[in-house]
Amino acid sequence: NAGVTQTPKFRILKIGQSMTLQCTQDMNHNYMYWYRQDPGMGLKLIYYSVGAGITDKGEVPNGYNVSRSTTEDFPLRLELAAPSQTSVYFCASGDRGREQYFGPGTRLTVT
Amino acid sequence: DAKTTQPPSMDCAEGRAANLPCNHSTISGNEYVYWYRQIHSQGPQYIIHGLKNNETNEMASLIITEDRKSSTLILPHATLRDTAVYYCIAITQGGSEKLVFGKGMKLTVNP
Repeated sequence: NAGVTQTPKFRILKIGQSMTLQCTQDMNHNYMYWYRQDPGMGLKLIYYSVGAGITDKGEVPNGYNVSRSTTEDFPLRLELAAPSQTSVYFCASGDRGREQYFGPGTRLTVT
Repeated sequence: DAKTTQPPSMDCAEGRAANLPCNHSTISGNEYVYWYRQIHSQGPQYIIHGLKNNETNEMASLIITEDRKSSTLILPHATLRDTAVYYCIAITQGGSEKLVFGKGMKLTVNP
């Protein structure tokens, strides 16, 4: 079991560029989540999904989009990168009534 | 979900028990107390959770007061590898299982 994998590990974007952060889990979990973590702060929920084809906004969704076409994959799309999106992004998966498993994170810098 | 309060930091000597407190005075009857930790910018790691009974697993013990307004996470024999930020989170199971992270508490285990 690889658990939750995220790619890339690091990325530098210029303002206005777009990119997709990839997240894959091999635990057949129904629930998947995207969080961001700014320096010295706790994680904040961006988007989540309770199953394929179902997504919903979290606390800080502006500037991001997601899709969930399969159980395994939950990509996060940044359309027009801004310096405020410089952060560490964590993907997680879990199930109803169970703990969440987190990926290693993607460190994104927008300059 | 109920707000939780933790002290910002705590030190512990290696080999000693680390007792990490958490207040959740507004917790409702169907909210569980979950503990996660984050070691040096890695993805958070699940530790333990409970509703009202004390719980123990291979990582830690969780003691919840009878009125459920507070709890204590106990690491019985802290090691240097337990140095991390610990998050106490109250969550209602059976919904989207969204986690709301505060700033957590930095535990430093000293040799």
